[in-house]
Amino acid sequence: EPEVTQTPSHQVTQMGQEVILRCVPISNHLYFYWYRQILGQKVEFLVSFYNNEISEKSEIFDDQFSVERPDGSNFTLKIRSTKLEDSAMYFCASRTSTNEKLFFGSGTQLSVL
Amino acid sequence: EDQVTQSPEALRLQEGESSSLNCSYTVSGLRGLFWYRQDPGKGPEFLFTLYSAGEEKEKERLKATLTKKESFLHITAPKPEDSATYLCAVQAGYSGGGADGLTFGKGTHLIIQP
Repeated sequence: EPEVTQTPSHQVTQMGQEVILRCVPISNHLYFYWYRQILGQKVEFLVSFYNNEISEKSEIFDDQFSVERPDGSNFTLKIRSTKLEDSAMYFCASRTSTNEKLFFGSGTQLSVL
Repeated sequence: EDQVTQSPEALRLQEGESSSLNCSYTVSGLRGLFWYRQDPGKGPEFLFTLYSAGEEKEKERLKATLTKKESFLHITAPKPEDSATYLCAVQAGYSGGGADGLTFGKGTHLIIQP
């Protein structure tokens, strides 16, 4: 079965540094998402992306966050100046339409020190 | 604000002991209710989507049902490999809750003992 691929699986960074999390969504999918899960808490929606622009974003997705689809296959999440509270598992997800099932990647565990 | 509450938080069963997990939700205009399975350190794995009250779906030992206020995930004669966290999520039909984004519950951590 096709998979959403995320790299790296683990990322350690210093507070204030920029990080870029990378994702390769499933090839025929059109809608792309980032979610995060802080240890022991709910999976939380961050942002959705369609047709090369953000279609929805949550309150969590502030000016420190940005997303980009730089080419036909990659989808990235950038955090400009990381904070301790950004430490979480970040999941990329994709689907063919907004009513279809959402496929998640295995996540990137981000640790901000 | 969309809310999803799952119960119990944790459940320990013996192999073969059937049970049900509950997901209560509050959402304006439900577009879909999703069940996912999550193994430790992994991303959620899709199980079911339910769209309207009265709908039921089955897959192996799992059966999901939906009413206007809650959904149940029934597990029949579970095996140790069914041990995981089961997540419920709703998709609202309006922008304020995230027409694209899913709102998740905290999940039920299920352990099946051999």
